[in-house]
Amino acid sequence: DQQVKQNSPSLSVQEGRISILNCDYTNSMFDYFLWYKKYPAEGPTFLISISSIKDKNEDGRFTVFLNKSAKHLSLHIVPSQPGDSAVYFCAARPNTGNQFYFGTGTSLTVIP
Amino acid sequence: EAQVTQNPRYLITVTGKKLTVTCSQNMNHEYMSWYRQDPGLGLRQIYYSMNVEVTDKGDVPEGYKVSRKEKRNFPLILESPSPNQTSLYFCASAFAPYGNSPLHFGNGTRLTVT
Repeated sequence: DQQVKQNSPSLSVQEGRISILNCDYTNSMFDYFLWYKKYPAEGPTFLISISSIKDKNEDGRFTVFLNKSAKHLSLHIVPSQPGDSAVYFCAARPNTGNQFYFGTGTSLTVIP
Repeated sequence: EAQVTQNPRYLITVTGKKLTVTCSQNMNHEYMSWYRQDPGLGLRQIYYSMNVEVTDKGDVPEGYKVSRKEKRNFPLILESPSPNQTSLYFCASAFAPYGNSPLHFGNGTRLTVT
């Protein structure tokens, strides 16, 4: 049973516009959420995270929003650049567990 | 440079021939873990380790073994590989398995079992 879901397998955005990647989760015990970026032939790279005590965390062009009541998080990339084209995974970890749970990924293509 | 190193990057083997994929990290991380990535299934955890000599099963441990004799190394062992273990494997580590401590990944090992 997939506890972290990314329902959009792919997304295309024009360069300079906003990219919004979405993630839903089912486990209310998750308290730490992360986004990873993955290029072909490389391992996932940590991008940004947020703890459940916050509803927003920003790092340069990347902002993560957390809506605990809806069990939903999103990653906003503004402005989008061609180098952002990659697969993005969201992940979560419960406050009482030692496992990280990952979504199935969203492939972002930024069109020049 | 802080990194997680996996070897080999590519491996083709036959059913039943034991193999080991090595993983080493130079960040003095307590937590290490193995994942497999399959199309449409994302990253699924195979095994993880909280510290030396402490290992536990993830979501898909069948057919795999691990050991953690030293803090820096966490090898993945397939005693009798089968074609359904053909996958892309990632080793990862984190400073601690609690708090806001992200996972750092290696570059992956693509395994093909014929």
